[in-house]
Amino acid sequence: AQKITQTQPGMFVQEKEAVTLDCTYDTSDPSYGLFWYKQPSSGEMIFLIYQGSYDQQNATEGRYSLNFQKARKSANLVISASQLGDSAMYFCAMREGQAGTALIFGKGTTLSVSS
Amino acid sequence: DTAVSQTPKYLVTQMGNDKSIKCEQNLGHDTMYWYKQDSKKFLKIMFSYNNKELIINETVPNRFSPKSPDKAHLNLHINSLELGDSAVYFCASSQMRLAATDTQYFGPGTRLTVL
Repeated sequence: AQKITQTQPGMFVQEKEAVTLDCTYDTSDPSYGLFWYKQPSSGEMIFLIYQGSYDQQNATEGRYSLNFQKARKSANLVISASQLGDSAMYFCAMREGQAGTALIFGKGTTLSVSS
Repeated sequence: DTAVSQTPKYLVTQMGNDKSIKCEQNLGHDTMYWYKQDSKKFLKIMFSYNNKELIINETVPNRFSPKSPDKAHLNLHINSLELGDSAVYFCASSQMRLAATDTQYFGPGTRLTVL
């Protein structure tokens, strides 16, 4: 069974609009972390935002926010006021349990922002 | 100022050859990782070292051998390269902590092409 599911292979949005990239996860571990990474066409993996399973508030980092719904096991990334430079592949990932375990990645969503 | 660096960025080689990829981090982190990104962009953990000790060793052909001379360096040696080894290999590092806030920072990736 997939531990991280990203159901949107591609998303299209216009500049200045908000967009939500979906991510659901599956774990029985009470302690876990959820991460979003951006991979532009240049290929590097850029860390965007993190949410811990015990965090009460949704994480925010500038134009990025993570809509964490624990009961639904979802951790959607919201990008407000999209910019052309946001066009990239976005990966949701999870780390279970104690530090030192690896990230488990979803298959990614390609976001295209148009002017 | 590069946090996680990898060399080389591109590697083109013939089947059957042996090659190495080097990774260095200057973040003072204790844990380093190798991930493989396949042609469909799927990322999967291969190995992880914590302070020179191997802690994750996924089901990877034993032609792949990681080596960590110190906690700032993690190299990946691949023997008898095969066509299926063509991929992008990412090195990452994180600070080993007990909490789930163990963000992993990635290097720029090494694109390996086996002809």
